[in-house]
Amino acid sequence: SQTIHQWPATLVQPVGSPLSLECTVEGTSNPNLYWYRQAAGRGLQLLFYSVGIGQISSEVPQNLSASRPQDRQFILSSKKLLLSDSGFYLCAWSVGASGVRFYEQYFGPGTRLTVT
Amino acid sequence: QQQVKQSPQSLIVQKGGISIINCAYENTAFDYFPWYQQFPGKGPALLIAIRPDVSEKKEGRFTISFNKSAKQFSLHIMDSQPGDSATYFCASPRSNYQLIWGAGTKLIIKP
Repeated sequence: SQTIHQWPATLVQPVGSPLSLECTVEGTSNPNLYWYRQAAGRGLQLLFYSVGIGQISSEVPQNLSASRPQDRQFILSSKKLLLSDSGFYLCAWSVGASGVRFYEQYFGPGTRLTVT
Repeated sequence: QQQVKQSPQSLIVQKGGISIINCAYENTAFDYFPWYQQFPGKGPALLIAIRPDVSEKKEGRFTISFNKSAKQFSLHIMDSQPGDSATYFCASPRSNYQLIWGAGTKLIIKP
């Protein structure tokens, strides 16, 4: 079966500090990978998605970046955090195949980031 | 920009009652409409999904009904239980492997 891991679970960082959040998926190959951010009590904002190693698409221009160094590893980074970067960061994956399964997304447990 | 309009924003239902959440979409890249359930502090989990070659799909107490001509779909939770208290999101496929998400409905089931 497939599992998705995210770490850390919680993080408190000062403004201007760097950020690195990691997500890994087990039990599948060539998944589509996604980073979302969720503000408190709000919906899901897609930040980045990737359909393969080194292939990253950005949805929202901001001070965040993403990388996919390995097939099942997705990293979210920032060089200098802003207060507005606080939120709940979610990684998700979907099957990299045709049809409905493209759109069945499975989420990790999330990282709660507080920028102070 | 494509949107999915979800309503209501919040909903309080008595235990045993029927919870109804509605979504309206503008366009879709693929005929597939999922609902996700999210508990506090957790990631969303796929609850139930429908392809509109059928007008209704039922899984246990959860039912999705779909109206293609109106571009609307809804989630019904029958015999609502306190354990159903969560935030529910609908979504619609967009091109390039993405989903367009509704804003979410916070459901509270009163015991």
